Amino acid sequence: NAGVMQNPRHLVRRRGQEARLRCSPMKGHSHVYWYRQLPEEGLKFMVYLQKENIIDESGMPKERFSAEFPKEGPSILRIQQVVRGDSAAYFCASSPLSRTGPNSYEQYFGPGTRLTVT
Amino acid sequence: AQTVTQSQPEMSVQEAETVTLSCTYDTSESDYYLFWYKQPPSRQMILVIRQEAYKQQNATENRFSVNFQKAAKSFSLKISDSQLGDAAMYFCAYRSSGANSKLTFGKGITLSVRP
Repeated sequence: NAGVMQNPRHLVRRRGQEARLRCSPMKGHSHVYWYRQLPEEGLKFMVYLQKENIIDESGMPKERFSAEFPKEGPSILRIQQVVRGDSAAYFCASSPLSRTGPNSYEQYFGPGTRLTVT
Repeated sequence: AQTVTQSQPEMSVQEAETVTLSCTYDTSESDYYLFWYKQPPSRQMILVIRQEAYKQQNATENRFSVNFQKAAKSFSLKISDSQLGDAAMYFCAYRSSGANSKLTFGKGITLSVRP
């Protein structure tokens, strides 16, 4: 059973360009979370999605950032007109739908995408 | 809003010795989950141990155990028989008991292991 997959692992963008980060959840998982880790910091929640729905976007910057999780395909975190302050590691985590079972509350993390804005 | 505090930025332990990493949190909820994650240089987030707040018994996973003090809102991680591979960043995290809610992380602590 493949784990959470993220690509690319490393992404370099110039200021003003767009960045697209992709996340494929574990098989059978229908919930996806995005977190951002700035240098020397812990992970900060950005957005929580279910298939075709944004459930909680309280951690998303109001401008330039958007996320989607379509019925088919991976979840996408999109950053428009990137600035140097967007340089960070972006992690995706997935969890199963069911609330029952010992691991129903566990989030499984991908390896992250390191975004560098030059 | 919940907060998680890890006040020690760095710690060091001698190989084979025991080390305790501290974490405190603030919440008004009575039911929740607490976690310790390990982040090695590869940056992969690895779940080390979890604790359900409604359980009084402290969780243990091989060489890893926690000291969960609910009234004091304290959740420390003890690593016994430290190994070189334990060197990493360690993050304490909080999660509400609602279905699939977000994790709130502390700033982390860098653990080094001396051979």
